[in-house]
Amino acid sequence: SQELEQSPQSLIVQEGKNLTINCTSSKTLYGLYWYKQKYGEGLIFLMMLQKGGEEKSHEKITAKLDEKKQQSSLHITASQPSHAGIYLCGADMDSGTYKYIFGTGTRLKVLA
Amino acid sequence: GAVVSQHPSRVICKSGTSVKIECRSLDFQATTMFWYRQFPKQSLMLMATSNEGSKATYEQGVEKDKFLINHAGLTLSTLTVTSAHPEDSSFYICSAPVGGGTDTQYFGPGTRLTVL
Repeated sequence: SQELEQSPQSLIVQEGKNLTINCTSSKTLYGLYWYKQKYGEGLIFLMMLQKGGEEKSHEKITAKLDEKKQQSSLHITASQPSHAGIYLCGADMDSGTYKYIFGTGTRLKVLA
Repeated sequence: GAVVSQHPSRVICKSGTSVKIECRSLDFQATTMFWYRQFPKQSLMLMATSNEGSKATYEQGVEKDKFLINHAGLTLSTLTVTSAHPEDSSFYICSAPVGGGTDTQYFGPGTRLTVL
């Protein structure tokens, strides 16, 4: 079965520092989604990547999908306390089904 | 923009009772919705696919008689946890694809269930 592994599991950074979260799949991804979740709350959609080599940015967050479509990275530049939360990568189990599997999550804490 | 709501946001119940959780799509119709479960410090796990007008499909290992899903309309799916036990305590999240050729899917804010 397909699995998504995220690294690191947790991350504590000083405000202003850059950081990267990785998401690796055991199989080729049809689509890769990044979400942010605050503890005990729903998911906030960040970005969707579908094409090999694709890169998207929104404010200080950049996500990339490698050419083989098996690995994605999420990069935050000049982190702020508002970036704190749990970052989850998700992927379609099958193309177009919207049935997602999720990575194990990365807990980010940003120290002011 | 499209929003998915859930009700209640929190529920505490006694062991053996049943609990119903609602998931509504606001401003758009959702013929398909998904139910996920998230245990503390773990990721979301897909439980079942809720299909409007037909039976839900359950992922492997999820008991369909325990987690009853009803999707009678185009904007509402309900998940009923029957005869809840403490091990059912979890965070339940629903999602709904916006459709219309987009790949966008929205997640509800979640329902925290605590079974005493």
